[in-house]
Amino acid sequence: EVQLVESGGGLVQPGGSLRLSCAASGFTFSSYEMNWVRQAPGKGLEWVSYISSGGTIYYADSVKGRFTISRDNAKNSLYLQMNSLRAEDTAVYYCARDLVPAAYDYWGQGTLVTVSS
Amino acid sequence: QSALTQPASVSGSPGQSITISCTGTSSDVGGYNYVSWYQQHPGKAPKLMIYEVSNRPSGVSNRFSGSKSGNTASLTISGLQAEDEADYYCSSYTSSSTWVFGGGTKLTVL
Repeated sequence: EVQLVESGGGLVQPGGSLRLSCAASGFTFSSYEMNWVRQAPGKGLEWVSYISSGGTIYYADSVKGRFTISRDNAKNSLYLQMNSLRAEDTAVYYCARDLVPAAYDYWGQGTLVTVSS
Repeated sequence: QSALTQPASVSGSPGQSITISCTGTSSDVGGYNYVSWYQQHPGKAPKLMIYEVSNRPSGVSNRFSGSKSGNTASLTISGLQAEDEADYYCSSYTSSSTWVFGGGTKLTVL
């Protein structure tokens, strides 16, 4: 059974940093492209970042230069390092597996990041 | 990276059909067949319902169908059921090698 489990969310002050993790199981993690998608409270979905199986990386303009996506295939894990956090980064962050481009067939349960003083 | 345009809400009675539109540009919806649709119930993670414009993942009811014309994609739900009440989001690949979602549509089953 495919499972994605996010962790690392919490309360952080503006300007602070946080590292999210996503533990994958039930599939050959190294063969799949992965994404981070976020959802602010009461708002819609927003794509955040993508990393291919070969390491190609893309970011949304809203997080470029502040967030870094990475993966450790040996640990079946996806990461999102978030620096210079702002109030508008407050959201539930989901990791999601690519079926094909723009089609995320498996999602984690999400981890809540709250940026507030 | 402007969000794709969806109606804020649609409604229908059980058994009826409804269609949700998703309008983008030639740089996203109109330029690629990488358009997907997601269903999200309150407090839950999104669920993939349609990918590559009109393909259904295994396990998704054939009451759900997708199509595209020009810069507008559409999701049609036929034989509306109470459990279809949820938020629906479209998504597309873009020419900037990024991905964009629509603002979401709340479906109410009357």
